Amino acid sequence: KQEVTQIPAALSVPEGENLVLNCSFTDSAIYNLQWFRQDPGKGLTSLLLIQSSQREQTSGRLNASLDKSSGRSTLYIAASQPGDSATYLCAVRRSQGAGSYQLTFGKGTKLSVIP
Amino acid sequence: GAGVSQSPSNKVTEKGKDVELRCDPISGHTALYWYRQRLGQGLEFLIYFQGNSAPDKSGLPSDRFSAERTGESVSTLTIQRTQQEDSAVYLCASSAAGGSYNEQFFGPGTRLTVL
Repeated sequence: KQEVTQIPAALSVPEGENLVLNCSFTDSAIYNLQWFRQDPGKGLTSLLLIQSSQREQTSGRLNASLDKSSGRSTLYIAASQPGDSATYLCAVRRSQGAGSYQLTFGKGTKLSVIP
Repeated sequence: GAGVSQSPSNKVTEKGKDVELRCDPISGHTALYWYRQRLGQGLEFLIYFQGNSAPDKSGLPSDRFSAERTGESVSTLTIQRTQQEDSAVYLCASSAAGGSYNEQFFGPGTRLTVL
């Protein structure tokens, strides 16, 4: 059974700092990995999706990397802003077989960027 | 067009009552998913609809939970005889198809509180 772990559970940084969020998964047979942002009272916003054949994806100040063989992904946020404060979720999708459309989520990292 | 919408946004009910949660997927999306997020936990998969195929109900936690979908549109998740442990945020997502490569787009969720 796939398990996704996110470390740390919470992180507080001053504005302007670069930071890294970590995600690990136990089964490397994944099709893709997705990073989401969740704001209180709102749904999930997809930030980056990395296919299993890719090593990284970039969008603006965000960069996500994937090392499938070691079961790890990182989300790098450059020059953090107070508006980045949210909970960041990592989710993986199995590559094949029953339930391959399901996403398995970590519990998230709650980020607070202090002005 | 518009994203995934869910109603109600908040629902407070008494233990033992039945509740219905609604999801309107993105127009044209054939696949629809329900997930549950309990406090301090990761999102858990509940059920998956793909077109006219039989739904995958493998994630439903008990027979008190059921869901329906009318064609490729609205879905309703019903919880009968609610229990306090059913308190959670229920999230709906849709995708263009059910294949592994299709990104899921999430609604804002319904926060259910069972007193």
